[in-house]
Amino acid sequence: KQEVTQIPAALSVPEGENLVLNCSFTDSAIYNLQWFRQDPGKGLTSLLLIQSSQREQTSGRLNASLDKSSGRSTLYIAASQPGDSATYLCAFLTSGTYKYIFGTGTRLKVLA
Amino acid sequence: NAGVMQNPRHLVRRRGQEARLRCSPMKGHSHVYWYRQLPEEGLKFMVYLQKENIIDESGMPKERFSAEFPKEGPSILRIQQVVRGDSAAYFCASSSTGVDAGNTIYFGEGSWLTVV
Repeated sequence: KQEVTQIPAALSVPEGENLVLNCSFTDSAIYNLQWFRQDPGKGLTSLLLIQSSQREQTSGRLNASLDKSSGRSTLYIAASQPGDSATYLCAFLTSGTYKYIFGTGTRLKVLA
Repeated sequence: NAGVMQNPRHLVRRRGQEARLRCSPMKGHSHVYWYRQLPEEGLKFMVYLQKENIIDESGMPKERFSAEFPKEGPSILRIQQVVRGDSAAYFCASSSTGVDAGNTIYFGEGSWLTVV
């Protein structure tokens, strides 16, 4: 069964901290992995997309890494801000399919 | 802004009624996906459609649920005879070509269905 586990489930940090969100997945035959942000009552915004041939992607204060052999991805957020407060979802796509497999997310709260 | 548009955003239905959720993909996108997010659970794939064709409906419940993406107009997710367990957020997403070709998927804001 394909699964995604995200740890921690919830995280509360003071503003300015660097933090790491973890995602582990069970299928090594992934095609790509995406990190999304979801605000309460809102849809999903794609933050970073990592193809299976890549090891990391960066966008501004965000950096995502992918280690297929260990089935892990991390999202690193530098210098966190209150506006970063949201739920962060990790999802992967297996080769030859169209279905993203989602984790249940990490609820992040950055305190001013 | 030609993002993925879903309506209604919030829908309340009594048990036994029908719910119709509509999704207009981004301009130029012909691939539509529906996902469901149950309370405290991750998003689960339901169905993948291209214009006039259902490509993969392996995530759809066998009964009461149907989806279509006609040649003209939005994609429709239809739930007949709703039950309390159907209460969830239903997200539509679109891409210009299949996501297995490496294209980014864009999500709408979701339709929140509450069955009372």
